[in-house]
Amino acid sequence: AQSVTQPDIHITVSEGASLELRCNYSYGATPYLFWYVQSPGQGLQLLLKYFSGDTLVQGIKGFEAEFKRSQSSFNLRKPSVHWSDAAEYFCAVGRSGSARQLTFGSGTQLTVLP
Amino acid sequence: EAQVTQNPRYLITVTGKKLTVTCSQNMNHEYMSWYRQDPGLGLRQIYYSMNVEVTDKGDVPEGYKVSRKEKRNFPLILESPSPNQTSLYFCASSLQGRSYEQYFGPGTRLTVT
Repeated sequence: AQSVTQPDIHITVSEGASLELRCNYSYGATPYLFWYVQSPGQGLQLLLKYFSGDTLVQGIKGFEAEFKRSQSSFNLRKPSVHWSDAAEYFCAVGRSGSARQLTFGSGTQLTVLP
Repeated sequence: EAQVTQNPRYLITVTGKKLTVTCSQNMNHEYMSWYRQDPGLGLRQIYYSMNVEVTDKGDVPEGYKVSRKEKRNFPLILESPSPNQTSLYFCASSLQGRSYEQYFGPGTRLTVT
């Protein structure tokens, strides 16, 4: 069975600083990987996804993520954080050959200081 | 506007009183799913549906029922709610095909006393 680990429960960064959120997965085959963002009181919104090909994927809102098979990681990055990026971020892996059946990590809460 | 809607958004009920949370999407998506979100556990899938009349269990199906009689609707039924079902529930949908993206509803916060 696949699993997803987000080792950081809470991260605080200053506005304008760079950001990296960590995600490690466990899956027997080539994974489908996703990052979602949940703003307060909102549902989840897809930031970016990886299925195959280029291991550096670009998403919305200036986010990117890099798939590293050797490290079983899919870390999310942003070069300069904005106050509006404060939210909870979830990494997810698709299972059973279908990305629609997702296993989510426990989430990382991002606080942005002015 | 393309969206997934859930009703009600907030619900407080008592143990054992049957309830239904509705989910509807207007994007003609084949796939729909229910998740519950609990602090420190992320989202866990309850049930999903690949199409009309096709449903299957997710990771935490105990105590829940679903049905998919129409493509746009996917209600979640709690026949006899218990306090451990107090949670935030999300419905999601997506299209068939490789470049799928799950669209999430706004969530339903359920409290069972």
